[in-house]
Amino acid sequence: GAVVSQHPSRVICKSGTSVKIECRSLDFQATTMFWYRQFPKQSLMLMATSNEGSKATYEQGVEKDKFLINHASLTLSTLTVTSAHPEDSSFYICSAMRTASGNTIYFGEGSWLTVV
Amino acid sequence: GQQLNQSPQSMFIQEGEDVSMNCTSSSIFNTWLWYKQEPGEGPVLLIALYKAGELTSNGRLTAQFGITRKDSFLNISASIPSDVGIYFCAGQQVNRDDKIIFGKGTRLHILP
Repeated sequence: GAVVSQHPSRVICKSGTSVKIECRSLDFQATTMFWYRQFPKQSLMLMATSNEGSKATYEQGVEKDKFLINHASLTLSTLTVTSAHPEDSSFYICSAMRTASGNTIYFGEGSWLTVV
Repeated sequence: GQQLNQSPQSMFIQEGEDVSMNCTSSSIFNTWLWYKQEPGEGPVLLIALYKAGELTSNGRLTAQFGITRKDSFLNISASIPSDVGIYFCAGQQVNRDDKIIFGKGTRLHILP
């Protein structure tokens, strides 16, 4: 089956620094990827839609200058949390759309970010 | 962000019992999806529904896409301990970049 991989799976960073999370579609091309954030015991909240070769579309309330998304190739999207603060600590999950199979969406394993 | 109304929020059942959970929305969806999430992992797709009225099974799981396209339910029959987890419904919207919107989840507990 289709596989979406995220890296790193866990990261700890100091407050004020930036951290990058990668999302890769391993065996298919994905022109569209999505980034979600999930706080403990809560649901997945869509942050932004990442489109290959163009700017990401951010959901209302998500700061685009803080959460930088780059989708430079058909198999890779990156989310960079800039000037991270402890309240940014969360589980970040990406998903990728496989258009070759009827726009089926596959999720990555998630990345735990802890800002200290 | 936009969310679906999923209920119940949590369930405590005995092993062997059947489980039912549902999702409703004020918006029409062209696809309904049911996921299960284990702690610290990404959601795993259980069942996908593509047509209004569709009833689909996956082992002991059965899900239906409501006729109005605004609701869906998931049933689990004869629950077993490994069914424990959080179940999310999700809708994929029409003409909205195909993004998936999630319900708040149903946390399933199985009593010994």
